[in-house]
Amino acid sequence: GAGVSQSPSNKVTEKGKDVELRCDPISGHTALYWYRQSLGQGLEFLIYFQGNSAPDKSGLPSDRFSAERTGGSVSTLTIQRTQQEDSAVYLCASSLEGGMKTQYFGPGTRLLVL
Amino acid sequence: DQQVKQNSPSLSVQEGRISILNCDYTNSMFDYFLWYKKYPAEGPTFLISISSIKDKNEDGRFTVFLNKSAKHLSLHIVPSQPGDSAVYFCAASEGGATNKLIFGTGTLLAVQP
Repeated sequence: GAGVSQSPSNKVTEKGKDVELRCDPISGHTALYWYRQSLGQGLEFLIYFQGNSAPDKSGLPSDRFSAERTGGSVSTLTIQRTQQEDSAVYLCASSLEGGMKTQYFGPGTRLLVL
Repeated sequence: DQQVKQNSPSLSVQEGRISILNCDYTNSMFDYFLWYKKYPAEGPTFLISISSIKDKNEDGRFTVFLNKSAKHLSLHIVPSQPGDSAVYFCAASEGGATNKLIFGTGTLLAVQP
């Protein structure tokens, strides 16, 4: 079956511009996660959605970052007024539900802020 | 503060031999541990996991060992194959409703034919 998909696969933007990254989770998966991987670093948790519950935003690095999940499926991560330190690979994962369930990752969006 | 540490950035082994990847953690609240494999330009792929109530979990060529007293886990791959060459990430979770994963920085494994 189809895995987690993300778009765009690559994004180059200028400092100060806003960007939107999209994630389509595996069908039927109620839990959705965003992570990012900066150069030479491990994956860093950003935000978690589970069903209709309030999202866990504890990993968002600043108020320039926001995310939403419409209809319990597709999610969009928005970065406003991008900075060069936002350059990273942004990865989305989904799982059947929260708790100890395996998270399946998409291929990521490589963001470069010039 | 790095809660999950992979101190070896790279490892090279011969095909057919054992690969041992190590991971240390500092948070005693972690109760679920996972290993992911990542190829370039792809997302991480789940390999194997272990709950803190166990000290070993085996799946084919992959075995994960957990030493809670030492806050250490390791992934053994035997026999190693060239297709195993990838970056391996250790991850840990406190479980609970969110299950957000805390990742190490990864170890690049190169299996030489």
